[in-house]
Amino acid sequence: QKEVEQDPGPLSVPEGAIVSLNCTYSNSAFQYFMWYRQYSRKGPELLMYTYSSGNKEDGRFTAQVDKSSKYISLFIRDSQPSDSATYLCAMIEGGSYIPTFGRGTSLIVHP
Amino acid sequence: NAGVTQTPKFQVLKTGQSMTLQCAQDMNHNSMYWYRQDPGMGLRLIYYSASEGTTDKGEVPNGYNVSRLNKREFSLRLESAAPSQTSVYFCASTGRGTDTQYFGPGTRLTVL
Repeated sequence: QKEVEQDPGPLSVPEGAIVSLNCTYSNSAFQYFMWYRQYSRKGPELLMYTYSSGNKEDGRFTAQVDKSSKYISLFIRDSQPSDSATYLCAMIEGGSYIPTFGRGTSLIVHP
Repeated sequence: NAGVTQTPKFQVLKTGQSMTLQCAQDMNHNSMYWYRQDPGMGLRLIYYSASEGTTDKGEVPNGYNVSRLNKREFSLRLESAAPSQTSVYFCASTGRGTDTQYFGPGTRLTVL
């Protein structure tokens, strides 16, 4: 079993929907949690970064971390076709150089 | 400020040929990484360099070598390419005191 599990999708939603993307993990030493967005044929780009349990909001995006359940989520409000991409979660232990990535969830927002 | 740049963008090789993928960053980052990304496999770490002068193996180092030429540049070499190395290769970098990686645009490599 991989340390980080992420459903590959694809997840298809209509424009304007609220999207929930999730990752579970088994390593309790993970302290920092990130979400990357990757458009087709492009490199991943950092979307959200958090290091504590609870919610962090940035515009239409909310990252949620529940360390007790070893579960993280990314919520996208009022989803747009331009949000269509693959979303990768990533986690890292304190003091480590090496993040562990989920395999990514493909999101399709159709007009 | 170009961020992380990679060359070439595309490459087709024949089995047994060699090539070097180039990566450079202009953000004064200490750590640099090479990943490969395959369908259904996600990002897999090949090699990384925590700081100038050091390199370490990642999850899938076999068939690859790296050189941290200076603080800016980190190259990946395939000495004898195999079809199993057909993939998209990403370089990334991280600054001191942060955990977030900045990725380059990728190199699409096909080995026939």
